[in-house]
Amino acid sequence: DTAVSQTPKYLVTQMGNDKSIKCEQNLGHDTMYWYKQDSKKFLKIMFSYNNKELIINETVPNRFSPKSPDKAHLNLHINSLELGDSAVYFCASSQDVGNYGYTFGSGTRLTVV
Amino acid sequence: QKEVEQNSGPLSVPEGAIASLNCTYSDRGSQSFFWYRQYSGKSPELIMFIYSNGDKEDGRFTAQLNKASQYVSLLIRDSQPSDSATYLCAVNIGNTGKLIFGQGTTLQVKP
Repeated sequence: DTAVSQTPKYLVTQMGNDKSIKCEQNLGHDTMYWYKQDSKKFLKIMFSYNNKELIINETVPNRFSPKSPDKAHLNLHINSLELGDSAVYFCASSQDVGNYGYTFGSGTRLTVV
Repeated sequence: QKEVEQNSGPLSVPEGAIASLNCTYSDRGSQSFFWYRQYSGKSPELIMFIYSNGDKEDGRFTAQLNKASQYVSLLIRDSQPSDSATYLCAVNIGNTGKLIFGQGTTLQVKP
C-alpha cells in the first residue's frame, strides 16, 4: 500500500497551459504539504493544509492554487505555466504538525517546454 | 543567512569509514530536527529525528544536537556504498510543522 501517492509521476507541457497534480495519503495524517525541489535539489515549502484548512501559504505566485477536498487529499493546480515552474513537486503528510517528520510522496517531475 | 545550512559536498569516504554530516540553523526557537536521505530520482526518506541536546543512536546512524551552538550532525558508522545519497537536514521552524530544509550534502561511499 502506497502511503502518499501522487499523480502523475511525469508531466510535460507547453508554456501557458494549465495543469493539476493530485495527492492522496492513507496514513490518517491531519496535515498535508506541497514542496518544490529545484534543479539544485533545494526543497522549498509552498503550502500546507491541516484538516482542509490552509495554514501555510509561502510566497508563491498566485498561479499556484492548492485545494484540499478532505484531509486525505491535497491537489495543486497551476495556471499559465512558465519555464521556471519546471521542477519536481513533492506532496507530503504528517501527524501532529510535523513534530515527527513528514512522509513524502514519490514526486511529480514537471517539465515546461 | 540561510535558515538551514549544509555543506553541499560531495563528501567522499571509503567503505567502512565514519561519515560525518553537519548542519547549522538560525532559529533559536526550533525544537525538532530531522535527517532525510534522498537517492537520485527518489523522494526524501526520514532516517532520524532528534529533539533533545545530545546523541541519539539508531543502528549505524547517530544524530547529535547542540542547541546552544545551533548545530545538528549525523554520523554514519561502517559506511556502505548503498549509503551514497544526498542527506537533507530539516528544522521544524517555530513548531508550526513548517520544515525548512538545507540544500543537502551529497555523500559518496567508495568501495
